Amino acid sequence: GAVVSQHPSRVICKSGTSVKIECRSLDFQATTMFWYRQFPKQSLMLMATSNEGSKATYEQGVEKDKFLINHASLTLSTLTVTSAHPEDSSFYICSARQGNNEQFFGPGTRLTVL
Amino acid sequence: AQSVTQLGSHVSVSEGALVLLRCNYSSSVPPYLFWYVQYPNQGLQLLLKYTTGATLVKGINGFEAEFKKSETSFHLTKPSAHMSDAAEYFCAVSEGSGYALNFGKGTSLLVTP
Repeated sequence: GAVVSQHPSRVICKSGTSVKIECRSLDFQATTMFWYRQFPKQSLMLMATSNEGSKATYEQGVEKDKFLINHASLTLSTLTVTSAHPEDSSFYICSARQGNNEQFFGPGTRLTVL
Repeated sequence: AQSVTQLGSHVSVSEGALVLLRCNYSSSVPPYLFWYVQYPNQGLQLLLKYTTGATLVKGINGFEAEFKKSETSFHLTKPSAHMSDAAEYFCAVSEGSGYALNFGKGTSLLVTP
């Protein structure tokens, strides 16, 4: 299957700082990428859908000014958590698809905000 | 709107016993259904999926699931549990291939010797 990578795998930051998470499709062109958030012992919740070259579509309750998503190329999407707070600590997982094909998940990024 | 309900947040089975993880769905359109497995601090791995056609779907690692429209269910089974099957399992539904997924709350499978 197709491979999706995320970087970094783990990040610890101080409250008030910004953190950028990268999601890359390594062997296919991802026209769409999805960003999910998973709190401890909970399910994955869709945060936003990102189509290459256009603005991301955010789910209800997700602040677009806090979670900045950029999908500037067919192989890279970034999620920037701005002014992070401890309640933003979570496991962030991206997935990517080409056209209407199956989506493939990245390994996730563990964010801890102190 | 689509949703899935996973019955039982924790399931414990003995090694070699049958594994049954339950999932019921709600969908206003013909659903695409998925089962994923997640090991600690890792991403999701697709076990199997149902799109159209045959209602009994076979996946990796000996797992299978049956789509039952009349029962709105998509339960995951494996005849004989292995210790390595211990993980978190998520059922998910979408409107079609490549659409965003709506996940259930997950079921933690514990396999005892």
